[in-house]
Amino acid sequence: EAGVTQFPSHSVIEKGQTVTLRCDPISGHDNLYWYRRVMGKEIKFLLHFVKESKQDESGMPNNRFLAERTGGTYSTLKVQPAELEDSGVYFCASSQETGQGNNEQFFGPGTRLTVL
Amino acid sequence: LAKTTQPISMDSYEGQEVNITCSHNNIATNDYITWYQQFPSQGPRFIIQGYKTKVTNEVASLFIPADRKSSTLSLPRVSLSDTAVYYCLVGEGGFKTIFGAGTRLFVKA
Repeated sequence: EAGVTQFPSHSVIEKGQTVTLRCDPISGHDNLYWYRRVMGKEIKFLLHFVKESKQDESGMPNNRFLAERTGGTYSTLKVQPAELEDSGVYFCASSQETGQGNNEQFFGPGTRLTVL
Repeated sequence: LAKTTQPISMDSYEGQEVNITCSHNNIATNDYITWYQQFPSQGPRFIIQGYKTKVTNEVASLFIPADRKSSTLSLPRVSLSDTAVYYCLVGEGGFKTIFGAGTRLFVKA
């Protein structure tokens, strides 16, 4: 079974440019999550989709970040315009269901974003 | 969501048992305790989850005392490949998982 995949693995852009990150969850997983870790900091939750709906987007840092999951399959995270402080590793995870005691999330390898 | 406290780092030798303790004094009644492992340049990987007493799987054991204010991840006979960061998380469900700083385990030959 294929795991969570993310594209690209690395992205280097200049401040002010736009970048779109993609995540393909494990097939059949309704729940999709985005996290990020900026340099020297802890992994932070960004948002959670259930199918195509945003269940919780309280972790999104500001309106320069836009996440979508059309059709409830893959998801994209767009940063526009990118700022220097957006540099970090963006992780995507998916899980089969939420609920008590079932929070095994499967993580992708991450996308390393560098904003120059 | 309950905050967790773990040692920043630990060293061990191959073949030893490693126990990493996590404190979560404010754990709520509905919270479960979950441990993840992360290698460099990879995403976190689920290890084990429990609610109370003891849970064991093919990778590790998780010990949770009656008051649930702490938990201990036990890795039997570690190898060099167990060198990683280990995260203790406490929460009610699968969303908004909060990661702390984790414990960097370094296994030496």
